[in-house]
Amino acid sequence: KQEVTQIPAALSVPEGENLVLNCSFTDSAIYNLQWFRQDPGKGLTSLLLIQSSQREQTSGRLNASLDKSSGRSTLYIAASQPGDSATYLCAGRGADRGSTLGRLYFGRGTQLTVWP
Amino acid sequence: KAGVTQTPRYLIKTRGQQVTLSCSPISGHRSVSWYQQTPGQGLQFLFEYFSETQRNKGNFPGRFSGRQFSNSRSEMNVSTLELGDSALYLCASSLGGAPYEQYFGPGTRLTVT
Repeated sequence: KQEVTQIPAALSVPEGENLVLNCSFTDSAIYNLQWFRQDPGKGLTSLLLIQSSQREQTSGRLNASLDKSSGRSTLYIAASQPGDSATYLCAGRGADRGSTLGRLYFGRGTQLTVWP
Repeated sequence: KAGVTQTPRYLIKTRGQQVTLSCSPISGHRSVSWYQQTPGQGLQFLFEYFSETQRNKGNFPGRFSGRQFSNSRSEMNVSTLELGDSALYLCASSLGGAPYEQYFGPGTRLTVT
């Protein structure tokens, strides 16, 4: 069974800092990894998806990397802003009880606060 | 293109009652997945439907059921509600094929009293 861990659980930084959020997973047979953002009481917003054959994806100030061999993914946020404050979740798609299409396994998230 | 919509957004029910939640996927998406989010357990997978067929199911009791209609809209039903069913229920849609990127709705906040 895939287990996903995110470190740190919470992070508070001043505006302008470059940030690194970490995600680790136990089963390297991962199909893809997706990073999400969740604002309080809201749904999840997809940020980046990395296929298992890819090493990284970039969108604006966000860059996500994937290292299947070490079971790790990293989300890098450049020049953080107060509007980046949210909970960031990573989720890996992996096999599940004979279902070749698998399902998403979520970490518990990193709660980010960026103060001005 | 409209995103994933969920109705109702908020719901208060009494223990023992049943509830039905609705999800409309992004146009063209054929897969709908349901998740339960609680502070204690985080996000847990309930089930996934594709072309009206359940193709994957999480570890939830039989009180939790779902279905998908021919237009890909999905409903989730919880019978005999318990206090522990209070949660944010999230629906996600995807094309159903590679790359399996999922798009989430705003959720339905269910409170059981």
